[in-house]
Amino acid sequence: AQTVTQSQPEMSVQEAETVTLSCTYDTSESNYYLFWYKQPPSRQMILVIRQEAYKQQNATENRFSVNFQKAAKSFSLKISDSQLGDTAMYFCAFMKGKGGGADGLTFGKGTHLIIQP
Amino acid sequence: EAGVVQSPRYKIIEKKQPVAFWCNPISGHNTLYWYLQNLGQGPELLIRYENEEAVDDSQLPKDRFSAERLKGVDSTLKIQPAELGDSAVYLCASSLGGASTDTQYFGPGTRLTVL
Repeated sequence: AQTVTQSQPEMSVQEAETVTLSCTYDTSESNYYLFWYKQPPSRQMILVIRQEAYKQQNATENRFSVNFQKAAKSFSLKISDSQLGDTAMYFCAFMKGKGGGADGLTFGKGTHLIIQP
Repeated sequence: EAGVVQSPRYKIIEKKQPVAFWCNPISGHNTLYWYLQNLGQGPELLIRYENEEAVDDSQLPKDRFSAERLKGVDSTLKIQPAELGDSAVYLCASSLGGASTDTQYFGPGTRLTVL
């Protein structure tokens, strides 16, 4: 079974600052995918970024980028030029690749990110 | 394009009463998921459908929970009878299916309160 650990229950930064959210995972799978989801107070879970484990290059989506360290099983999210709208719960999630059995997402407990004006 | 639709958004019931949640996935998405999210926690998978077949229901408490996905489109999750510990948010998600790079798209969820 997979586990996902987010060690920062809450973080707070000033608007326009850069913030990094940590995530580690444990798996014996070789084919898998990692995700960061954002869940604002409205509760809608929104995909922020996705990383395929077989890709060495770190994924980037505008102000969001990841630092994927496969050997260390670490998958951190960096948010640059943070905005008030980035305030939300952020969940790190793991999914096995096809052929590895069930492919529901395994989530961490989340990090509550607060962007201060 | 419409996203995943769930109803109701909120539901308050007395314990031992039945309750049902409905989900309409994104058009063309063959895979549908139900997740349970307790307060302050990440979602946990309850059941996954590939078209109309439940391919992973190992985490579904079958003594009181049931689900169906007729015609491989809409899905209903039912609890009977509800218990106090069932108070949570129930999330539905869908993905295209058939490929290993599926991204799951979530609905807004149904917040259940059992009194």
